[in-house]
Amino acid sequence: EAQVTQNPRYLITVTGKKLTVTCSQNMNHEYMSWYRQDPGLGLRQIYYSMNVEVTDKGDVPEGYKVSRKEKRNFPLILESPSPNQTSLYFCASSILTRGAGTDTQYFGPGTRLTVL
Amino acid sequence: QQQVKQSPQSLIVQKGGIPIINCAYENTAFDYFPWYQQFPGKGPALLIAIRPDVSEKKEGRFTISFNKSAKQFSLHIMDSQPGDSATYFCAATTAGSARQLTFGSGTQLTVLP
Repeated sequence: EAQVTQNPRYLITVTGKKLTVTCSQNMNHEYMSWYRQDPGLGLRQIYYSMNVEVTDKGDVPEGYKVSRKEKRNFPLILESPSPNQTSLYFCASSILTRGAGTDTQYFGPGTRLTVL
Repeated sequence: QQQVKQSPQSLIVQKGGIPIINCAYENTAFDYFPWYQQFPGKGPALLIAIRPDVSEKKEGRFTISFNKSAKQFSLHIMDSQPGDSATYFCAATTAGSARQLTFGSGTQLTVLP
């Protein structure tokens, strides 16, 4: 089954304790992205990656890191989480057809993070 | 600064009604406008999308109306059903970009039986 998986689905942590949220896709997609979803703000892009070893900042990158060492994996790293990073996080992937502009993004099930 | 403004924030209709969700954008470079549907506990999933070279696109009970001059687009759900109850997000992007979707703030739709 074609899918994007995220782990963990739920995480409660404390301020300053480094954490990693994993994301993996089995569709051989070049493009992967992380979003956070907050009430009244919709989904905002954190980081994206167009291929292995190619990453770039989205709209709200502060406090986050990513890496893309393999095509299928795109982990999100919070080096020193703070309470304002409490949110619902989604990973997404798509093919990357340059110029087509119609590539569907496939989202994972989400990770609900609470930072105390 | 929110580049895609979505309204209303929430919407309640009776079964069979026609909920309408509106979005307005500012960036004239946007040329692809998808709508995503999100059920509780799930990630968003593409519902329907439109390019600005057409004024309307219909897929089943879902229709997008697009007004390029007003920089507005809307989602209509015909004969709405309780199973349509979900959060709907409009979005916009630019063809040839790095697939950066700019999302609206979302509309929580409830269809009463």
